Amino acid sequence: NAGVTQTPKFQVLKTGQSMTLQCAQDMNHEYMSWYRQDPGMGLRLIHYSVGAGITDQGEVPNGYNVSRSTTEDFPLRLLSAAPSQTSVYFCASGQGSEQYFGPGTRLTVT
Amino acid sequence: KQEVTQIPAALSVPEGENLVLNCSFTDSAIYNLQWFRQDPGKGLTSLLLIQSSQREQTSGRLNASLDKSSGRSTLYIAASQPGDSATYLCAVYNFNKFYFGSGTKLNVKP
Repeated sequence: NAGVTQTPKFQVLKTGQSMTLQCAQDMNHEYMSWYRQDPGMGLRLIHYSVGAGITDQGEVPNGYNVSRSTTEDFPLRLLSAAPSQTSVYFCASGQGSEQYFGPGTRLTVT
Repeated sequence: KQEVTQIPAALSVPEGENLVLNCSFTDSAIYNLQWFRQDPGKGLTSLLLIQSSQREQTSGRLNASLDKSSGRSTLYIAASQPGDSATYLCAVYNFNKFYFGSGTKLNVKP
């Protein structure tokens, strides 16, 4: 049971490049979510999903896309990276409202 | 919009002290509140989950209380140890969304 896994651990992008942050869970959780964490701030919700085929926006969705084709996977896409998207990104999954977090992806956009 | 505030932002105590971390939230219509621990460069680990109908939860040296009507929660750590040094985050949950505070960075000195 690996829990919540995220890849890559680190990534450097140039402004305007696109990429996908991967998130997978093996706990059969319906709820999955993406957060970003900036220095001195708590986690802010980007997008979330309550099941396969269902996604919704969180607090800071602009510049990010998500899809949920399976229960296990919830990728986060940056279509055109901007320096303001430099952050640490966390994926989480949960049963009910208890959350389990992945180890994070540290993204730098230059 | 729900806002979560944690005070103090940082705390340094000698080993063995009992301490209290505070969390307040602006909208009392929450489903539950969760306390997390975050070690540097790591993801979040759930410590305690308090349902909205509960007043407190205990796990070992940790005790968390919830006063939903006043929008407050406290995390009490008894007999602090250097291994307790970390950032502690609280999060409230309602309507499929989690809102995090910015955390309290705790340093327990040997």
